[in-house]
Amino acid sequence: DIVVTQSPDSLAVSLGERATINCKSSQSVLYSSNNKNYLAWYQQKPGQPPKLLIYWASTRESGVPDRFSGSGSGTDFTLTISSLQAEDVAVYYCQQYYNTPRAFGQGTKVEI
Amino acid sequence: QVQLVQSGAEVKKPGASVKVSCKTSGYTFTNYDINWVRQATGQGLEWMARMNPNSGETGYAQKFQGRVTMTRDTSISTAYMELSSLRSEDTAVYYCGRDSEIATIKYWGQGTPVTVSS
Repeated sequence: DIVVTQSPDSLAVSLGERATINCKSSQSVLYSSNNKNYLAWYQQKPGQPPKLLIYWASTRESGVPDRFSGSGSGTDFTLTISSLQAEDVAVYYCQQYYNTPRAFGQGTKVEI
Repeated sequence: QVQLVQSGAEVKKPGASVKVSCKTSGYTFTNYDINWVRQATGQGLEWMARMNPNSGETGYAQKFQGRVTMTRDTSISTAYMELSSLRSEDTAVYYCGRDSEIATIKYWGQGTPVTVSS
């Protein structure tokens, strides 16, 4: 099974500053036939289900602000919030959907 | 619009089973996989299982093999997740989620709290 590990577990960032979250998979999630990374990022606020932010490691879901960006390939990925806003306070998860089980990382809590 | 509506909160005793339903609407039920994800209080997301509602094919996390069963009723566009031999560690909110076209979970149910307590 692919194990997905995030770092850090939590971080505090000033309003308007950059937040960076890392995600590492235990094996590559790059599918060679289509050159796509099967890695997604979700945002979860208290009392709500998760919300899909990014898929294919770097493609923003429709309606997601462009201050959110994803990068990386193979086994190492990053979610960046370029200018943190108050509404971005949440827990962020990466998930591999390369194969089953579609494991999530343990989550990263972002605070002001 | 796509909607997933889950059944209500459950309280169960250790050793019992729980069956949670996920009623879908707004799309063709058999066209997209359904996933189950759980979250204990203050903890992270834990992927449990998925089902292809068209074929009935399922995939389970090894941790839950033998204890979890996903079924569906295509006539009412509803998926079910049954977890047996419950223990206190199974106390969590259980979410169903529908795949997008590319197997990410784009649509979520509201969550069903399950409490396991003697």
